[in-house]
Amino acid sequence: AQSVTQPDIHITVSEGASLELRCNYSYGATPYLFWYVQSPGQGLQLLLKYFSGDTLVQGIKGFEAEFKRSQSSFNLRKPSVHWSDAAEYFCAVGLDYKLSFGAGTTVTVRA
Amino acid sequence: ETGVTQTPRHLVMGMTNKKSLKCEQHLGHNAMYWYKQSAKKPLELMFVYSLEERVENNSVPSRFSPECPNSSHLFLHLHTLQPEDSALYLCASSLHRGPSDTQYFGPGTRLTVL
Repeated sequence: AQSVTQPDIHITVSEGASLELRCNYSYGATPYLFWYVQSPGQGLQLLLKYFSGDTLVQGIKGFEAEFKRSQSSFNLRKPSVHWSDAAEYFCAVGLDYKLSFGAGTTVTVRA
Repeated sequence: ETGVTQTPRHLVMGMTNKKSLKCEQHLGHNAMYWYKQSAKKPLELMFVYSLEERVENNSVPSRFSPECPNSSHLFLHLHTLQPEDSALYLCASSLHRGPSDTQYFGPGTRLTVL
């Protein structure tokens, strides 16, 4: 079955430390790939997306993601997290005219 | 993102009530979506409208009834809900209904069914 997997349910990181969130997908073709962030009480906001070309994509708020076809992965990174990055992060795959989402990773930032 | 608004933000209803959720987008988009977000589960796509025509209904129970009177407005009519329907209901819109189109989300309606 086609799926999007975010292996980490919850990650705690210190402010100023680096962050990496994992995302794996299982689809036959290379899909369109997205990362969204949801702050408490808010809807989802697009961080970045990958369609083709350069496999390292830059997004808003200092985030970047790297597409690795051989690993079917699209991991999200940030070199130095801020307290405001505490949120839930969703990886999504666009295929067959719709988005399929992972279950999300909750990021907690400690001072 | 203030381009998509949802009302009400919170709703508590009994199992015999009838209520409606409203979504409005100010982005000039042609496609609108309803999602259900339950704790620690992937977002579930419920309905998709493209140019006011329903193009997808993901086996959603008939107690949920969508309505799209024009490309800017989307409603979700609720009746005789079950407690397991308690969730955050998110509305989204995109320019077109395509897998590469970015979807813009509203803040959601937190629904509690007693």
